[in-house]
Amino acid sequence: DAKTTQPPSMDCAEGRAANLPCNHSTISGNEYVYWYRQIHSQGPQYIIHGLKNNETNEMASLIITEDRKSSTLILPHATLRDTAVYYCLPSEGGKLIFGQGTELSVKP
Amino acid sequence: EAGVVQSPRYKIIEKKQPVAFWCNPISGHNTLYWYRQNLGQGPELLIRYENEEAVDDSQLPKDRFSAERLKGVDSTLKIQPAELGDSAVYLCASSPRQGVFYFGAGTRLSVL
Repeated sequence: DAKTTQPPSMDCAEGRAANLPCNHSTISGNEYVYWYRQIHSQGPQYIIHGLKNNETNEMASLIITEDRKSSTLILPHATLRDTAVYYCLPSEGGKLIFGQGTELSVKP
Repeated sequence: EAGVVQSPRYKIIEKKQPVAFWCNPISGHNTLYWYRQNLGQGPELLIRYENEEAVDDSQLPKDRFSAERLKGVDSTLKIQPAELGDSAVYLCASSPRQGVFYFGAGTRLSVL
């Protein structure tokens, strides 16, 4: 299984872009990268996923480097409700393996 | 559309007592997962079902944990007997396709 590395915590000012990095240097060629977040006292919530190309949806954008060894999740205009733990994780064989994630604090 | 429903939300028991958690996945999702989340940690997979078949239970402590998914819909996770170290949040998730999981709110278990 691919291992991911994320900073344990980050701060972001409300209304600014939040850029959350993830290193997944051991990811295999057919493993997608998924991003989830977990707001306090709730279950994890799917955000976005990608394989090679950059992706965007109503929640966020995902930038994947050309060598696929790292990616960045971008929340373009962070709000206080985006305060959560963000997980970057590969998925292969129908499993999601969670690491420690990044605790994002959005401050007014 | 209703999401993944879990009950109870909270459970407090004394050690050595049995406990059961129930999960109702999203309609039409054939794949169901049970995860355990300790405080300050990411969720850890316990078991994965495809319809009524447990296809990955390698992380399930089988001496005290058991699970079932009758008729491939609802699922129950049981611990008997519970130990102090079993205190955690137990999360259920269902999935319509690889990598996209819908999680319930979880059951917070406290073993005293």
